[in-house]
Amino acid sequence: GPKVLQIPSHQIIDMGQMVTLNCDPVSNHLYFYWYKQILGQQMEFLVNFYNGKVMEKSKLFKDQFSVERPDGSYFTLKIQPTALEDSAVYFCASSPGTGYNQAPLFGEGTRLSVL
Amino acid sequence: GDQVEQSPSALSLHEGTDSALRCNFTTTMRSVQWFRQNSRGSLISLFYLASGTKENGRLKSAFDSKERRYSTLHIRDAQLEDSGTYFCAAANYGNEKITFGAGTKLTIKP
Repeated sequence: GPKVLQIPSHQIIDMGQMVTLNCDPVSNHLYFYWYKQILGQQMEFLVNFYNGKVMEKSKLFKDQFSVERPDGSYFTLKIQPTALEDSAVYFCASSPGTGYNQAPLFGEGTRLSVL
Repeated sequence: GDQVEQSPSALSLHEGTDSALRCNFTTTMRSVQWFRQNSRGSLISLFYLASGTKENGRLKSAFDSKERRYSTLHIRDAQLEDSGTYFCAAANYGNEKITFGAGTKLTIKP
């Protein structure tokens, strides 16, 4: 069936560098999401995105974070500059939205290690 | 903002017993999804409900269709492979924000 793909599965970078996490959502989905999970803890909502715009963002979505989906390609989360506390697993999700009785789909996550 | 309160936070059971997990929502939700997160961190979708109940083997989930303010996940005849962390995630009306509960860490003992 359809899948949300996140590449790479693990990314290691030095503090202060920029990182872009890539998500390949399901092609006919309209809503896109990023979540942050620190090991063993809760799935924290970062942001959702629809029709080229951020719908809602949480307090965890710092000024250093940005999202975009240029030309219907990858849905990306950019962090610039990174900080040590950004180390976590980031999950991407996509959903067809209202009117479709279909579940949102989640990727396998990208583990980000900031050194 | 929208809150999802999940209980219990942890549960330890012997094989063969039954259990029930619950999520309460502080506002009316459009749909709910239940996941098990395995030891590798992958989210395995168990159920997605916009209303009513669904059953799959030893698992059964219900979403309060009247007020849409809670959902339950029942595990019957627990097996060792049911161990893991279970999350509910609910989508609101309007901007389709999906909020997760804090999770239930389930441990099944022989």
